[in-house]
Amino acid sequence: QVQLQESGPGVVKPSETLSLNCTVSGDSVIPHYWSWFRQPPGKGLELIGYIYYTGDTNYNPSLKSRVTFSVDMSKNQFSLALTSVTAADTAVYYCARESPGKVGAADYWGQGTLVTVSS
Amino acid sequence: QSALTQPASVSGSPGQSITITCTGTSSDVGRYNYVSWYQHRPGKAPKLIIYDVNQRPSGVSYRFSGAKSGNTASLTISGLQAEDEATYHCCSFAGANTYVVFGGGTHLTVL
Repeated sequence: QVQLQESGPGVVKPSETLSLNCTVSGDSVIPHYWSWFRQPPGKGLELIGYIYYTGDTNYNPSLKSRVTFSVDMSKNQFSLALTSVTAADTAVYYCARESPGKVGAADYWGQGTLVTVSS
Repeated sequence: QSALTQPASVSGSPGQSITITCTGTSSDVGRYNYVSWYQHRPGKAPKLIIYDVNQRPSGVSYRFSGAKSGNTASLTISGLQAEDEATYHCCSFAGANTYVVFGGGTHLTVL
């Protein structure tokens, strides 16, 4: 059974970098696309972007200047870094696997981790 | 404000059917047959229940069905059960640059 688990600090100070890891079990990061989503309090889900196991990325245009994804095949995990955070980046962050061969459908998700931007 | 519009809440009694709508534009829902729906219970991982407008992943109950007409997609849950109480998110492909957009989510209460 494929499982994803997000990990990282629950609180990040304004202007600093938010860093999260997503560890995959029950599957290999190869040869899939992996995504990051977030859901601010009281709002809908938002795609942050996705990364292919080769390292190819596609970021949400609204976040592109501040976000970087990476994949570590040796640890079977992928990561998110979001720089210069503000209160607007407070959200539950989810990692997910894009369903193979399908468009815009993520078939496995992590439970999510709440990240609060606060001094 | 989300790109797709969903009602904030719906409710129904056990055994009844309910339909949740998801309204987009001619740039997303109306243009592509790549609408998906997710069931999300508090503290749990979102679960894919519909993809490609009306396809169910393996293991998802036949009680869940999807459809689309013009710029509006819909999710119907028949034979409501208590376990269906959750928030339902719609999602649509919106082109290679944006990739996907979401609705604000609809909370389903089973009375």
